[in-house]
Amino acid sequence: LAKTTQPISMDSYEGQEVNITCSHNNIATNDYITWYQQFPSQGPRFIIQGYKTKVTNEVASLFIPADRKSSTLSLPRVSLSDTAVYYCLVGGSARQLTFGSGTQLTVLP
Amino acid sequence: DAGVTQSPTHLIKTRGQHVTLRCSPISGHKSVSWYQQVLGQGPQFIFQYYEKEERGRGNFPDRFSARQFPNYSSELNVNALLLGDSALYLCASSPLVQGSEKLFFGSGTQLSVL
Repeated sequence: LAKTTQPISMDSYEGQEVNITCSHNNIATNDYITWYQQFPSQGPRFIIQGYKTKVTNEVASLFIPADRKSSTLSLPRVSLSDTAVYYCLVGGSARQLTFGSGTQLTVLP
Repeated sequence: DAGVTQSPTHLIKTRGQHVTLRCSPISGHKSVSWYQQVLGQGPQFIFQYYEKEERGRGNFPDRFSARQFPNYSSELNVNALLLGDSALYLCASSPLVQGSEKLFFGSGTQLSVL
């Protein structure tokens, strides 16, 4: 099972762009990269998923280099409500996905 | 459309007791997975069911069991509760069991074992 490493915590200010990088050196050929957001006492919420290059949706962008050994979640112009824990996962089916401790993002006013 | 629903939202039990947690997936989703999340840690995979069959099991003791019903809802059972079983139990549903699964989580059941 691929293992991921991401920063324990990050601080940012409202309106700034936040980039959270995740390393996954042992990613397998069939693995996808998925990011989830979790608020206290709630279940994780899907943010974005990708396999290679760049993926963008209405809330975030995901950058994946050619070797796929890392990925970067980019949150444009964060607000206080983006304060949450962000998890990077690699794998396919649910039984392959391993949540680490995540990155606690704190957005300051 | 309704999201993933879990019941109860909170539960208090004592050591040695048994507990049953319930989950209703999003309509059309045939896969249900269960996770345990201890305070300060990420969710840990317990089980995955698809079409009423177990498709995966995490590193949990046999005290933990689950099943999926014909309507794709699911139950998680934990016997002989220990203090260490106190956690947020999360259920997630997805439309696929293979490929790149996108998991939809419920709000969880907060279990406290005294």
